[in-house]
Amino acid sequence: DTAVSQTPKYLVTQMGNDKSIKCEQNLGHDTMYWYKQDSKKFLKIMFSYNNKELIINETVPNRFSPKSPDKAHLNLHINSLELGDSAVYFCASSLGGQFTDTQYFGPGTRLTVL
Amino acid sequence: AQSVAQPEDQVNVAEGNPLTVKCTYSVSGNPYLFWYVQYPNRGLQFLLKYITGDNLVKGSYGFEAEFNKSQTSFHLKKPSALVSDSALYFCAVRVNTNAGKSTFGDGTTLTVKP
Repeated sequence: DTAVSQTPKYLVTQMGNDKSIKCEQNLGHDTMYWYKQDSKKFLKIMFSYNNKELIINETVPNRFSPKSPDKAHLNLHINSLELGDSAVYFCASSLGGQFTDTQYFGPGTRLTVL
Repeated sequence: AQSVAQPEDQVNVAEGNPLTVKCTYSVSGNPYLFWYVQYPNRGLQFLLKYITGDNLVKGSYGFEAEFNKSQTSFHLKKPSALVSDSALYFCAVRVNTNAGKSTFGDGTTLTVKP
């Protein structure tokens, strides 16, 4: 069974559209994250939730809105997509909010905005 | 602010030779250091971490890393490289403040040639 799964794996859409990426983890972890990896492979954290509570909210346009319906799911909704949003988005989870916890990453969602 | 530097974009080694992928960090407080590996079109996978204790940390696939507080470094090493080690390697740091946010280095592409 996949520990951290994301859907869809690929997402191609037009500028101005609204889209969502879903993430689920079956590890029983309390903390989940969204990362963005750009075309140069640089990895930046966007959001982190611990037990459905937002604990990290980096400088991300407010077109990006995370939603955590329960601690096993963290979805990312993006409004009014722009060309610069094209990237690979990774979901991750860790056991708790401890600084020593290992993060487990999903396979990524490659978003292409045309 | 916390930061991580991976000074080499690319490291090339011959199969069977030792490899080193460099990482230096800057934090206020005690660092918690991680290495992750990313194979093409995959998510990041955990290799090893330093939390406290012995400065030499052993991890997956024969990798190890040495924490050096005076040099603020956490270089990844392997005594004998395999072609299958070719991948993108990320160093990351967390501290027990700042909501435990992970800061990743820009990544180092390791190529092991037969």
